Amino acid sequence: AQRVTQPEKLLSVFKGAPVELKCNYSYSGSPELFWYVQYSRQRLQLLLRHISRESIKGFTADLNKGETSFHLKKPFAQEEDSAMYYCALSTPGNQFYFGTGTSLTVIP
Amino acid sequence: ETGVTQSPTHLIKTRGQQVTLRCSSQSGHNTVSWYQQALGQGPQFIFQYYREEENGRGNFPPRFSGLQFPNYSSELNVNALELDDSALYLCASSLADRGLKGETQYFGPGTRLLVL
Repeated sequence: AQRVTQPEKLLSVFKGAPVELKCNYSYSGSPELFWYVQYSRQRLQLLLRHISRESIKGFTADLNKGETSFHLKKPFAQEEDSAMYYCALSTPGNQFYFGTGTSLTVIP
Repeated sequence: ETGVTQSPTHLIKTRGQQVTLRCSSQSGHNTVSWYQQALGQGPQFIFQYYREEENGRGNFPPRFSGLQFPNYSSELNVNALELDDSALYLCASSLADRGLKGETQYFGPGTRLLVL
């Protein structure tokens, strides 16, 4: 069963516009949710995790247990935000699930 | 502090062969996870090693096996290679406490395996 769903494979927004990358998950227990980012020619790296409730590079993500969602948001997109974004989930049993990723392009 | 390194960077094998991929974890990390990433897909979790023992496994057959060494480096072994095993193999290290909660994983650059 697909644990993490990212419905948008590609997303384009204009610079300065708000951006939202969607992530829905399927897990009945208490997962931990993450967003990972991969910039061009760089390694996959952690952007943020729900447990820390941080805002990184202007991005935030709120865990909505009722809707089982963990959407990533930024009020004003920048060109340097263009990258591949993966939503990921880890279970208490140390299983990890990644979504298929959303490629974000910020148009100047 | 050195980051996660993987070797080799690229590898070509034929069906039925065996392959060993290597990963050196980031300094101070005690946990290594392996992932398979097919083209256009997200990483798929293979397994995790914590202090030299398998600590979690994804939906991969037993021909995918691994090891973690006392210095916390790790190997991924794949036997009886199939064409569908062609993918990018990622290693990620982390520092887990005794509770083994989802700590931040630091990824290596990957090994690209092509099975012909």
